[in-house]
Amino acid sequence: EVQLVQSGAEVKKAGESLKISCKHSGYSFTSYWLGWVRQMPGKGLEWMGITYPGDSKTRYNPSFEGQVTISVDKSITTAYLQWSSLKASDTAMYYCAAGYAFDYWGQGTLVTVSS
Amino acid sequence: QSALTQPPSVSGSPGQSVTISCTGTSSDIGSYNRVFWYQQPPGTAPKLLIYDVNNRPSGVPDRFSGSRSGNTASLTISGLQAEDEADYYCNSYTSSSTYVFGTGTKVTVL
Repeated sequence: EVQLVQSGAEVKKAGESLKISCKHSGYSFTSYWLGWVRQMPGKGLEWMGITYPGDSKTRYNPSFEGQVTISVDKSITTAYLQWSSLKASDTAMYYCAAGYAFDYWGQGTLVTVSS
Repeated sequence: QSALTQPPSVSGSPGQSVTISCTGTSSDIGSYNRVFWYQQPPGTAPKLLIYDVNNRPSGVPDRFSGSRSGNTASLTISGLQAEDEADYYCNSYTSSSTYVFGTGTKVTVL
């Protein structure tokens, strides 16, 4: 059974850094694209970017490029989404998803940033 | 990249059919078969309903069907049930080698 388990909720201050994680199990980690999706409070889904763990090729939504970094650690089949300097507007639920069609989803990580 | 356009809400009585439209451009929906639909009940993660315009993953009821005409994709829910009440999102591959979600549609079962 494919499982994506995300790290727990975070409460941070503006200007702080953050790295959230998405642990894969149940399938070949290097065979599927993995992406991140943002959902701001009461709003819709936004596609942030995807990475292919097999060769670390990564593509970003232009709106998020330079604002976040997507990475993977193949040795522990874990993907990451990180910020170097958070803003209050980064407050949102963040989902990781994997598969050709985003067939599999994590449970979400709630990030709250206070100003 | 601009979000694909969906109606904010649609509603129907149990047993009826509803259709959700998703309008893009010739740079996304109109040019690629990689069009997807997701269902998101309140407080939960999204779930894949349709992939490649009109294909259902295993386990998705055949009440859900997808189609496309030009730059507009559609999701039809036939035989509406109370459990179908949720938010629905379309998603498409784009000419920039990225993906874009739709604005989302809330389905209400009357």
